[in-house]
Amino acid sequence: QKEVEQNSGPLSVPEGAIASLNCTYSDRGSQSFFWYRQYSGKSPELIMSIYSNGDKEDGRFTAQLNKASQYVSLLIRDSQPSDSATYLCAVKDSGYSTLTFGKGTMLLVSP
Amino acid sequence: DVKVTQSSRYLVKRTGEKVFLECVQDMDHENMFWYRQDPGLGLRLIYFSYDVKMKEKGDIPEGYSVSREKKERFSLILESASTNQTSMYLCASSAPPSRQGRTGELFFGEGSRLTVL
Repeated sequence: QKEVEQNSGPLSVPEGAIASLNCTYSDRGSQSFFWYRQYSGKSPELIMSIYSNGDKEDGRFTAQLNKASQYVSLLIRDSQPSDSATYLCAVKDSGYSTLTFGKGTMLLVSP
Repeated sequence: DVKVTQSSRYLVKRTGEKVFLECVQDMDHENMFWYRQDPGLGLRLIYFSYDVKMKEKGDIPEGYSVSREKKERFSLILESASTNQTSMYLCASSAPPSRQGRTGELFFGEGSRLTVL
């Protein structure tokens, strides 16, 4: 059974701080990694994808991947109250088009 | 932009009723998926389809069936709804890796919140 683990939170940070969200996965064959943001009552929306070890930056978001440690993280710089949401980590293995999702980390950014 | 449309945002049904949840995507994606999302349990895959007339069981297929008669449409069917099927149902689609360039990105519909009384 493939597993994706996330701390459920909530993770509380003040406005302007860096929020760090973490995810570990069990399947060493995993090839693609995604971060989705989900506002309450809404569907998940893709914010970052990463496929190789290292960092990938997109605006205020940085995804970090370490396949040897089976670890992927998302950093949000200059956090805003509008970033308050649940962040879902998703992992795809090499053989299928299906994603396995973590249960999500709730982020709360206080003004 | 990819658009995945789910036919009903909110439904209330009675135990034993047959329920149809419809999903349509407009990006010619081969792959389509049905998930349910429950508090504390996260997103769980019910069924998925790689092509017309094809279907594969996900992690929790019991009590559900699916239909994919056309490429753009993927339907989830609850043959006899039960109260434990009260949930948020999310449809998603994706293109195959070779065509998309990026592998496996899912695009979600807005969700259908089903309540079974």
